[in-house]
Amino acid sequence: KQEVTQIPAALSVPEGENLVLNCSFTDSAIYNLQWFRQDPGKGLTSLLLIQSSQREQTSGRLNASLDKSSGRSTLYIAASQPGDSATYLCAVHSSNTGKLIFGQGTTLQVKP
Amino acid sequence: GAGVSQSPSNKVTEKGKDVELRCDPISGHTALYWYRQRLGQGLEFLIYFQGNSAPDKSGLPSDRFSAERTGESVSTLTIQRTQQEDSAVYLCASSIDYREADTGELFFGEGSRLTVL
Repeated sequence: KQEVTQIPAALSVPEGENLVLNCSFTDSAIYNLQWFRQDPGKGLTSLLLIQSSQREQTSGRLNASLDKSSGRSTLYIAASQPGDSATYLCAVHSSNTGKLIFGQGTTLQVKP
Repeated sequence: GAGVSQSPSNKVTEKGKDVELRCDPISGHTALYWYRQRLGQGLEFLIYFQGNSAPDKSGLPSDRFSAERTGESVSTLTIQRTQQEDSAVYLCASSIDYREADTGELFFGEGSRLTVL
């Protein structure tokens, strides 16, 4: 059974810091891994999608890496801004079941 | 449509009533997913459709929950005899068939907030 864990559960940093969010998964048989952002009371917004054959993806100040063999992904946010404050979720698409399983998320607060 | 659309956005109902939640996926997306998110908690997988078929219904919490999809488009999640513990935001998402297009990026609707009194 695929399990997805995100550490830390919450993070507070001053504006301008670079930071790393972690995601680990137990079953390496995946199609892809996706990072999302969720603002309070809102749906999810896709940030980055990494296919199982890829090692990383970049979009603006965001960089996501994937190490399938060790069951880990990181989301790197450069030069954080107060507008980055949100909950960040990673989700793994299992190739055995077709299910997309989510971690519990990391709630980020960036202080001005 | 431009994005995934869900209705109603808010639903308040009395315990024991039936409710239907609707999801209109992005046009051409063959995969459709339903998730439940209780207040302050993570996303709980309910069911997914590939076309009109649901390969795995094991995520549905009880037999009071059912879902269907028609025309490889609209999906309806039905909750019968609602209970207070059903109160949550129900999120729908769609994607291209990840097995064929090797993409699988998921797009979410804004959700349907269900409150059972």
